[in-house]
This record gives sequence, C-alpha cells and structure tokens, in this order.
Amino acid sequence: AQTVTQSQPEMSVQEAETVTLSCTYDTSENNYYLFWYKQPPSRQMILVIRQEAYKQQNATENRFSVNFQKAAKSFSLKISDSQLGDTAMYFCAYRGNAGNMLTFGGGTRLMVKP
Amino acid sequence: DVKVTQSSRYLVKRTGEKVFLECVQDMDHENMFWYRQDPGLGLRLIYFSYDVKMKEKGDIPEGYSVSREKKERFSLILESASTNQTSMYLCASSLHRQGEGNQPQHFGDGTRLSIL
Repeated sequence: AQTVTQSQPEMSVQEAETVTLSCTYDTSENNYYLFWYKQPPSRQMILVIRQEAYKQQNATENRFSVNFQKAAKSFSLKISDSQLGDTAMYFCAYRGNAGNMLTFGGGTRLMVKP
Repeated sequence: DVKVTQSSRYLVKRTGEKVFLECVQDMDHENMFWYRQDPGLGLRLIYFSYDVKMKEKGDIPEGYSVSREKKERFSLILESASTNQTSMYLCASSLHRQGEGNQPQHFGDGTRLSIL
C-alpha cells in the first residue's frame, strides 16, 4: 500500500517570506498523481496544486509551486510571499494511476505571523 | 462551483446509537467518498462509491456502512456508535474521466461528531 509522510507537524513563517512544506511518499507505480490540499481553520478543504508524475515540469499556481523529485519520491510545496490567509493545515495526497482513492499524509499546520 | 453539502456541522450522539451522516453534491459526480480526520493521522478513507448502489471499502471500514441510492447523495452510517468514533468526518466527490487521474476531490465542510 502507498504511504505518504509529512515530517513537519507544525511550521511558522513571517508574512511576505517563503516557506517550504515537505512530503515524501512510497510507491512502486511509475505513473501517479500528487496533490496539495489546504484546510483553513473551520473552513472547507480546497485543492492548492496538483502534479502528474509523467510530467517533468514542476507545477505552479501563482504563489504556490512544487518541487517534484520523482527518483527521491519527494513532493514539497513552496509558498512564496506568504500571506495571513495562508494559515491552514496542508495535506499532501497521492493517487495511483488506476484508482480513484487518495492516500493522505498526516498534515502540516502552517501559521503565518504578521 | 462544485457544492458538497454535509447535513450537520456538529453532532452529539450517545454510545450505541445508530448515526446517519448525509452528504449531497450538486455536480453530477460519479465518485463520492467518506473520510475520517484525526490529528496527526490526516484523512483516512472509510468508504468510496463510484456509482449508485456501488461501494468499496477504504482503509478503516470497520464499524461503518454506507448507502448510495441516488447519484447525488452518499450516506455514512455508524451502526452502533462508540466513543472511538468521535472524530471529524469529511465527505468528498469527484468526476470520473477515464485516463484523467488528476481530477481533484471536492470536499464538504465536515461534521464534527462526538459520541458520549
């Protein structure tokens, strides 16, 4: 079974600075999909960014970008110019090529400080 | 925008009760999911449904059952609630497109369930 590990339970960053959240995963598949989700306090979980394993180029969505290292099975999330609204739980998730189910990491609680 | 609605934001029940959690989505998605969220454990899949009346067990199905009689509605049932089922429950839905595994899941607001 696939496993997803987020080694940083909590992190903090000053407003306007850059922070990187770590995620590693274990799989024997060659093609798969990776996601970062954000869950603000008492609010709905939303998709931040996604990456297909067959694409070498790292995905970017405005201030959010990933560093996808397929050989190392690493999928980190970089948040540039951090804003107070980025304060949330962040979850890394994996989906295999054939399935519909996601495997989530344990989450990283990010606090952006003014 | 996709709307996934969970019937209750907060729920308090007693040990041994039969508990129903309801989830409705308005985007005609084929796939629907029930997760349990606990601190440090992330989200764990309880059950998944890919079509009406179809279901598959996730990682932690014990003590739970599901029902999908209509495409838009997916119910989670705690047959006999126990204190270790106190948790946050999240419902999600996604579109099924063959060969497009990057379709995201859309989540409801969650139900915080306390079993006393």
